[in-house]
Amino acid sequence: DAGITQSPRHKVTETGTPVTLRCHQTENHRYMYWYRQDPGHGLRLIHYSYGVKDTDKGEVSDGYSVSRSKTEDFLLTLESATSSQTSVYFCAISATGGDNEQFFGPGTRLTVL
Amino acid sequence: AQSVTQLDSHVSVSEGTPVLLRCNYSSSYSPSLFWYVQHPNKGLQLLLKYTSAATLVKGINGFEAEFKKSETSFHLTKPSAHMSDAAEYFCVAQNGNKLVFGAGTILRVKS
Repeated sequence: DAGITQSPRHKVTETGTPVTLRCHQTENHRYMYWYRQDPGHGLRLIHYSYGVKDTDKGEVSDGYSVSRSKTEDFLLTLESATSSQTSVYFCAISATGGDNEQFFGPGTRLTVL
Repeated sequence: AQSVTQLDSHVSVSEGTPVLLRCNYSSSYSPSLFWYVQHPNKGLQLLLKYTSAATLVKGINGFEAEFKKSETSFHLTKPSAHMSDAAEYFCVAQNGNKLVFGAGTILRVKS
């Protein structure tokens, strides 16, 4: 298995609180991605990174920010969590982007009450 | 813009019978296409990938998919289902450095 960990694995929080999810990789891959998974929608891209300090928005980026200060870590922050952000969040990594395979982490289940 | 449509949200088969999961893509060019599988409470795993070489692509665990440009389809098949194939399957298209996912098909395998 690709060396990807996500923390926390489960979190329950209240509306309006900030939340940060962490993705950590040991593969030294350049590209890192954050997705959310909701029933009937598959996975939707939130943000991705193509290098340290280089990030771009995905299709559902509103309400989320990201940071990548080191190759191995990619943080996803919900500045003020809302109930619509209740979801399962997956991190993925890829060596070169494009049509290169993405390897997925185990996921973080976030519940916003 | 790239989009992917999985034609069935649920498919149910008996163990030992063939599996067919249908996928259509929308693009003005031939993108790279993938099938990923997600077992319950797990992350996603790549089953196979098409990148404009052979139109029939073989993947892991006996799965294969055929790219048909004239039909803009990339259906996933397996000759004989096994109980361990029960999972959710995603058809995925490349869009630059990003992937576009279909909504998923849940495969149920009955004994």
